[in-house]
Amino acid sequence: QQQVKQSPQSLIVQKGGISIINCAYENTAFDYFPWYQQFPGKGPALLIAIRPDVSEKKEGRFTISFNKSAKQFSLHIMDSQPGDSATYFCAASKIQGAQKLVFGQGTRLTINP
Amino acid sequence: GAGVSQSPSNKVTEKGKDVELRCDPISGHTALYWYRQSLGQGLEFLIYFQGNSAPDKSGLPSDRFSAERTGGSVSTLTIQRTQQEDSAVYLCASSLVGAGNSPLHFGNGTRLTVT
Repeated sequence: QQQVKQSPQSLIVQKGGISIINCAYENTAFDYFPWYQQFPGKGPALLIAIRPDVSEKKEGRFTISFNKSAKQFSLHIMDSQPGDSATYFCAASKIQGAQKLVFGQGTRLTINP
Repeated sequence: GAGVSQSPSNKVTEKGKDVELRCDPISGHTALYWYRQSLGQGLEFLIYFQGNSAPDKSGLPSDRFSAERTGGSVSTLTIQRTQQEDSAVYLCASSLVGAGNSPLHFGNGTRLTVT
């Protein structure tokens, strides 16, 4: 019940296109859903996060869509750029207490110029 | 300002040896976390510190793993009698407070290879 399932494992998108990564969770007690971006040799960096009381959050070219009834959330990257090429992780945790993030398995995104 | 600093960046050790991994969190951050990133298991929570106390050690995989934090700052993760399955990238993260939505700032990790 602690799993977060992420898909696809890898994704290739043309420059200027929309990249979409999907995640599904099981534990309904989760109430914090961040996305992290990781470049090779670096630690994950927080990109954007959402609470389940909103269905969408947008920051620049990055948007999280959240479907509480389906227990799914997704990351959309608009106008994808080669610099967006990285591994993306979705995660989930409970706001109450320590931030014990449960991570998805990651998506390796490649943006072709 | 300076981010989370981890040392060493790479560590190669022989099976059975002990290793110590160090984390310097962002100044003023009260919460500190250790995570492990491996090919087979992905990113896993290991331990959480609030100040110098560790109220949640539930992710430590065995009693060969221990961690401490001193002065509300530097933390050391110790692995005794290392095994090949301990090979992974060990990531430290800190946040301003321990609340579950306080942004985590990760270091670049220590890549541990056990031969």
